[in-house]
Amino acid sequence: DQQVKQNSPSLSVQEGRISILNCDYTNSMFDYFLWYKKYPAEGPTFLISISSIKDKNEDGRFTVFLNKSAKHLSLHIVPSQPGDSAVYFCAAREPFGNEKLTFGTGTRLTIIP
Amino acid sequence: EAGVVQSPRYKIIEKKQPVAFWCNPISGHNTLYWYLQNLGQGPELLIRYENEEAVDDSQLPKDRFSAERLKGVDSTLKIQPAELGDSAVYLCASSSRGTRGTGELFFGEGSRLTVL
Repeated sequence: DQQVKQNSPSLSVQEGRISILNCDYTNSMFDYFLWYKKYPAEGPTFLISISSIKDKNEDGRFTVFLNKSAKHLSLHIVPSQPGDSAVYFCAAREPFGNEKLTFGTGTRLTIIP
Repeated sequence: EAGVVQSPRYKIIEKKQPVAFWCNPISGHNTLYWYLQNLGQGPELLIRYENEEAVDDSQLPKDRFSAERLKGVDSTLKIQPAELGDSAVYLCASSSRGTRGTGELFFGEGSRLTVL
């Protein structure tokens, strides 16, 4: 049973437009949600996170929105740039000192110049 | 600040052979993780260390996989014997108490294993 789901394997967006990546989860006990970005042949790098007690967190061009009632989060990138082309993983952390992150399967974002 | 270092980056072996991966975490990070990433999937936790103690190894297939973190710094992940289905990327990550507030892990570049 996959607790964190990214239903879109790929997404193409024009440069300068908004990219919206979506993630759904089933475990209402997750206390933190994170987005990681991965380039080919590199390890994932942390992008942005949000606590389960918040509904929005913004960092420059990146904003993450959390809808707890829908068990849904999204990552907005605006404006999108060619360097944003990568695979984006949504991850959720289990609470109570358990450091385990559960990852989604990833969405490959391609920014079209 | 140096990142998480893993070696080898690539390894090709025949099935039933042993293989070992090494990880050096970020200096001062007391928590170390080994993740497995299959093609087209997200990383999955194999084992987590707090200093030298394995505090979560519930996902580690103990019949063929073993890991150690001597002195609470470097770590080695071993597979013996390797099977075809073990072909994947093995990721090491580390974190410190300062980064745990956000859940952030720092990943290495990974070790890609191909079993023939």
